[in-house]
Amino acid sequence: QITLKESGPSLVQPTQTLTLTCTFSGFSLSARGVGVAWIRQPPGKALEWLANIYWSDDKYYSPSLKSRLTIFRDTSNNQVVLIMTNVDPVDTATYYCGNIALGRGRPLAFWGQGTLVTVSS
Amino acid sequence: DIVMTQSPDSLPVSLGERATINCKSSQSVLRSSDNKNYLAWYQHKPGQPPKLLIYWASTRESGVPDRFTGSGSGTDFTLTISSLQADDVAVYYCQQYSSSIAWTFGQGTKVEIK
Repeated sequence: QITLKESGPSLVQPTQTLTLTCTFSGFSLSARGVGVAWIRQPPGKALEWLANIYWSDDKYYSPSLKSRLTIFRDTSNNQVVLIMTNVDPVDTATYYCGNIALGRGRPLAFWGQGTLVTVSS
Repeated sequence: DIVMTQSPDSLPVSLGERATINCKSSQSVLRSSDNKNYLAWYQHKPGQPPKLLIYWASTRESGVPDRFTGSGSGTDFTLTISSLQADDVAVYYCQQYSSSIAWTFGQGTKVEIK
């Protein structure tokens, strides 16, 4: 059974750095075709893809946020971490992580429940 | 970036009637390497994570009712709900994953009961 869970601060001050952790089980990030993605949804707005990391350690970022994002994996602890620098109130959103199974053509078949992050002073 | 544009933004449909959502990509999401369209559809209800309904444009995810059908190729795609049920009220998103560099979602279509 594949599960994912996001964790991190619920409140961050503007200009600070946000660190989010996705802890997963039921799959291996070392298996070919497997990855983890981060997606967010600001209140009342659409889903926005942020970043992917794959079994190969290849990493891809949203072009509009690339300068502020870093994604990396801790394979031994089954975790993927997303770091966002210099946050702004517009970064207030529910942040989700999801399982990628490209080998079976499924981009995001499993998601965490999401974590709401508010950026405010 | 590949831009995904959905229509309509809002779709009121009577129970038991057909709902049709369109999604257009600014570039083809058909990969010549395997002749597959890298286009997915999600259902998103408040307070829940999105749920994958369709991948490869027309392959239904396991457990998804057969009233949900995905179709299209290249740049034009459609999600059809053949007979709308009350449980189908949600926002629906298309997503391209053809570009390994950057994925993108459509802006969403809100399906509601007329």
